[in-house]
Amino acid sequence: DTAVSQTPKYLVTQMGNDKSIKCEQNLGHDTMYWYKQDSKKFLKIMFSYNNKELIINETVPNRFSPKSPDKAHLNLHINSLELGDSAVYFCASSLTSGLSNTEAFFGQGTRLTVV
Amino acid sequence: GNSVTQMEGPVTLSEEAFLTINCTYTATGYPSLFWYVQYPGEGLQLLLKATKADDKGSNKGFEATYRKETTSFHLEKGSVQVSDSAVYFCALEGGSYIPTFGRGTSLIVHP
Repeated sequence: DTAVSQTPKYLVTQMGNDKSIKCEQNLGHDTMYWYKQDSKKFLKIMFSYNNKELIINETVPNRFSPKSPDKAHLNLHINSLELGDSAVYFCASSLTSGLSNTEAFFGQGTRLTVV
Repeated sequence: GNSVTQMEGPVTLSEEAFLTINCTYTATGYPSLFWYVQYPGEGLQLLLKATKADDKGSNKGFEATYRKETTSFHLEKGSVQVSDSAVYFCALEGGSYIPTFGRGTSLIVHP
């Protein structure tokens, strides 16, 4: 069983479209995250949710809207996609907030390409 | 703000060679430090961590020591294997629970 699964694995779409990436964890964790890895491999946190509540929002454009229907799911919706949104997006989860307190488990990533 | 600097890769080694991947950081206070590993086609996994100065994290033959005086957390392994080929990320986290990752260093180990 995959602990943190995200779909789709690859997503190619045109500029201006709206798309969603889904993430589910079956670990019973309280905290979930979205990270963005750019073309230079830098990995940056975008959002963090704890028990369905937003706790971290790192200066991400309003076009990005995370949604957590329950604590096992954290989906990422992106409106009006731009070329600069092309990246690999990673979902992750941890038992509690903070990498210092608990190990984070990452999904395999979704490679988004905007053309 | 916080930052993490890793050596650029790829690092290419023969099996059983000694590995060092350098990592230095800039942060206020006393952050926790981590090494994460990403094997091909998989998500990142925690490799090891250290939460205070002079702590040594270790796992699977890898080690890293939290050096506050040099603000470094270099990753080392005495004898690498082909299966260690992966991308290695150094990271830190301060009191705000907002982690900062380095850009990743690709390691390629040849038989």
